[in-house]
Amino acid sequence: DTGVSQDPRHKITKRGQNVTFRCDPISEHNRLYWYRQTLGQGPEFLTYFQNEAQLEKSRLLSDRFSAERPKGSFSTLEIQRTEQGDSAMYLCASSPRFDRGLNEKLFFGSGTQLSVL
Amino acid sequence: AQSVAQPEDQVNVAEGNPLTVKCTYSVSGNPYLFWYVQYPNRGLQFLLKYITGDNLVKGSYGFEAEFNKSQTSFHLKKPSALVSDSALYFCAVRNSGYSTLTFGKGTMLLVSP
Repeated sequence: DTGVSQDPRHKITKRGQNVTFRCDPISEHNRLYWYRQTLGQGPEFLTYFQNEAQLEKSRLLSDRFSAERPKGSFSTLEIQRTEQGDSAMYLCASSPRFDRGLNEKLFFGSGTQLSVL
Repeated sequence: AQSVAQPEDQVNVAEGNPLTVKCTYSVSGNPYLFWYVQYPNRGLQFLLKYITGDNLVKGSYGFEAEFNKSQTSFHLKKPSALVSDSALYFCAVRNSGYSTLTFGKGTMLLVSP
């Protein structure tokens, strides 16, 4: 278990530029989640995948945001035409397959801190 | 919709004293409740969960939480605080049929020597 890995740790960009973040989940986990966290707030759900299928997207996820998990392993989160309001910590988490009766918990990465200037 | 309230931005306690971090929730159906901890420059770490069964749940690092259905609360507790417990604590909830967690805004716990 090498943990959830996120890259890069920090990203500084200018308003209007596109950025892409990568998440590598724990290898045997088939569920992958993206959350966003701003200062003084808890993580807010953005989207999640089961294997390669994107099963749910939050209303917070505007059309400028897109996420993929092409082979059911790593995932990317892209933000197009970044705005200053996009500045936040973007967290990735993974979990084993949901199975009623089993104890499910999320394993989080350290996050990617995005600063939009 | 599901939601979590953590009414205290910060809790201060002296080392060796008991601590309580409060959490109340709102969810339809049966709640699944969680506590996570976030240390500086590290990802959130799972502490404990309530799914069903005994209302007192024991977790990592000597923490426990008490589920109270009538008060819709899930307060985090520890009998004797350590300085190393100082961190940001998040309560989270989802219902039994929903896959995504909703987090509270967090409570900073500061334990003084």
